[in-house]
Amino acid sequence: GAVVSQHPSWVICKSGTSVKIECRSLDFQATTMFWYRQFPKQSLMLMATSNEGSKATYEQGVEKDKFLINHASLTLSTLTVTSAHPEDSSFYICSASAMAGFDQPQHFGDGTRLSIL
Amino acid sequence: SQELEQSPQSLIVQEGKNLTINCTSSKTLYGLYWYKQKYGEGLIFLMMLQKGGEEKSHEKITAKLDEKKQQSSLHITASQPSHAGIYLCGAVTSGTYKYIFGTGTRLKVLA
Repeated sequence: GAVVSQHPSWVICKSGTSVKIECRSLDFQATTMFWYRQFPKQSLMLMATSNEGSKATYEQGVEKDKFLINHASLTLSTLTVTSAHPEDSSFYICSASAMAGFDQPQHFGDGTRLSIL
Repeated sequence: SQELEQSPQSLIVQEGKNLTINCTSSKTLYGLYWYKQKYGEGLIFLMMLQKGGEEKSHEKITAKLDEKKQQSSLHITASQPSHAGIYLCGAVTSGTYKYIFGTGTRLKVLA
């Protein structure tokens, strides 16, 4: 149980392209999903908290217009990297909790490796 | 500075050896989670600890949360190459009330 699917797993595209990453909870409903970014050999950095039916809450330093988050249903959140540039290349991971409350474990997708040429 | 510090940062052990990874916070931990990650992949949930003094085991991995709920240790007994990866602790602390991750520990097990 508690499976999170993330797609695509790998994206290579040209600078200036917008890229959409999907995060789905397959066997549970997730009112809240989280988006993280991970640089090589570093830990996960929380980018934003995605709430179903409302605007995402972004962490300090994360550009809202660059990283568009949409949480249209209880099982789907999307992250769109707009006009991506090489510095946006990174590993992006989403997660979701099956139950509300910050003391609940998060279940992670397999991540998306984004490479901007 | 990182709110959740892990030690050691990296670890290389011979197969069959025991090892311990620590996760320390300067604030009270509200739920401490251990994850394993292979580089470039998602995180696998290992264990969750919520009560001070709590200890949980899964196969050869045991995790403890100290009484003051500010430190957790992950212990692997008789390590195997399959244990290799990055171990991350995650928690919500009384500092930020946000879900944060530790600095990570890279484990390599030599066959």
